[in-house]
Amino acid sequence: GENVEQHPSTLSVQEGDSAVIKCTYSDSASNYFPWYKQELGKRPQLIIDIRSNVGEKKDQRIAVTLNKTAKHFSLHITETQPEDSAVYFCAASRGTSYDKVIFGPGTSLSVIP
Amino acid sequence: ETGVTQTPRHLVMGMTNKKSLKCEQHLGHNAMYWYKQSAKKPLELMFVYSLEERVENNSVPSRFSPECPNSSHLFLHLHTLQPEDSALYLCASSQVGGFDEQYFGPGTRLTVT
Repeated sequence: GENVEQHPSTLSVQEGDSAVIKCTYSDSASNYFPWYKQELGKRPQLIIDIRSNVGEKKDQRIAVTLNKTAKHFSLHITETQPEDSAVYFCAASRGTSYDKVIFGPGTSLSVIP
Repeated sequence: ETGVTQTPRHLVMGMTNKKSLKCEQHLGHNAMYWYKQSAKKPLELMFVYSLEERVENNSVPSRFSPECPNSSHLFLHLHTLQPEDSALYLCASSQVGGFDEQYFGPGTRLTVT
């Protein structure tokens, strides 16, 4: 079945450094790739998404890149801050009549002040 | 209250009990989802209702029974659960049509004793 892999599972960076999280997906029909952030004890929330017709999208300090040929996409966070500490989930879906979204296992990011 | 709400927030039940989880969305969406979130596992999609019809059931054991009486409400009925069913159960909603954010509720932390 469809599968999304995510690496690394844990990541620690110094405040101000960059963080990169990488994901691969198996379903070649996937064309929508959201990223969710889940802070401790809180619900997952969408932070950025990308569709297959673009290769890169940026929103302030976060950016996502997509390589459809290789079936992988990445989240880049620059100038990290302590409030970026959370679990980040990548996901993939076909964007069909209902959103069957397949989530990756998550990356626990710790930003050290 | 706005967004997606879930009750109860915490639930402890014995293996012979019957209980129900409730989800309500105030966003005008027409698709609702149940996810299971366990430690060290990705978000697992359990059920999807689109336009009040169940469209996805990811081989979930019959001890979990969903109900969607209308587009704003979703229930998960539980009976004769196992300790391994202890997890955070998240409800989400979105607008049918794809490429749309899934809005998550705060979750119900379930412990089966």
